[in-house]
Amino acid sequence: DVKVTQSSRYLVKRTGEKVFLECVQDMDHENMFWYRQDPGLGLRLIYFSYDVKMKEKGDIPEGYSVSREKKERFSLILESASTNQTSMYLCASSPPGGAQYFGPGTRLTVT
Amino acid sequence: DAKTTQPPSMDCAEGRAANLPCNHSTISGNEYVYWYRQIHSQGPQYIIHGLKNNETNEMASLIITEDRKSSTLILPHATLRDTAVYYCIAGPWGSNYQLIWGAGTKLIIKP
Repeated sequence: DVKVTQSSRYLVKRTGEKVFLECVQDMDHENMFWYRQDPGLGLRLIYFSYDVKMKEKGDIPEGYSVSREKKERFSLILESASTNQTSMYLCASSPPGGAQYFGPGTRLTVT
Repeated sequence: DAKTTQPPSMDCAEGRAANLPCNHSTISGNEYVYWYRQIHSQGPQYIIHGLKNNETNEMASLIITEDRKSSTLILPHATLRDTAVYYCIAGPWGSNYQLIWGAGTKLIIKP
């Protein structure tokens, strides 16, 4: 079974903190994605990566950055967390022409 | 990418077939129909996809109309564990970064 794991299920941070969300997949997938999910807004793509050290902006990249130093790991970074970044963050991976496999999500609260 | 329209919620009795409709009247020739579901507090899970032929796998069947303007996901023998939000998405295969996730259909399976 494909497994996508995320470093935390729940996280509480203060405004202005630097936040790291980690995602690891074990299926050697080329593509990895970070989404956020908010009530009534569906899933929105923040960043995606189609190869090591490669990254592309999604629909809402402002306030976020990403890092992919190894194929299996894709990190989402909030440089200076703000309350409007309180959300559910979902990581996914996929082969080049395949379906996405999602992690369990990290519910981040910024106070 | 084509926009999809789904009913916000549906009920189904346990053991019966659950039929979830999706309208995608603006779908273009190279766009597939994907279905994912999201059980409460989990990440989305891929179910099935199709282009123009009907498809079946161990989880569900996908029926696409001949004009491709609508489709139906069928869960043949719904169980309580099938209670989830079901997302119908249209987009080119292999272009996961372009998929637009709507609000989906909240399917409640009743005992």
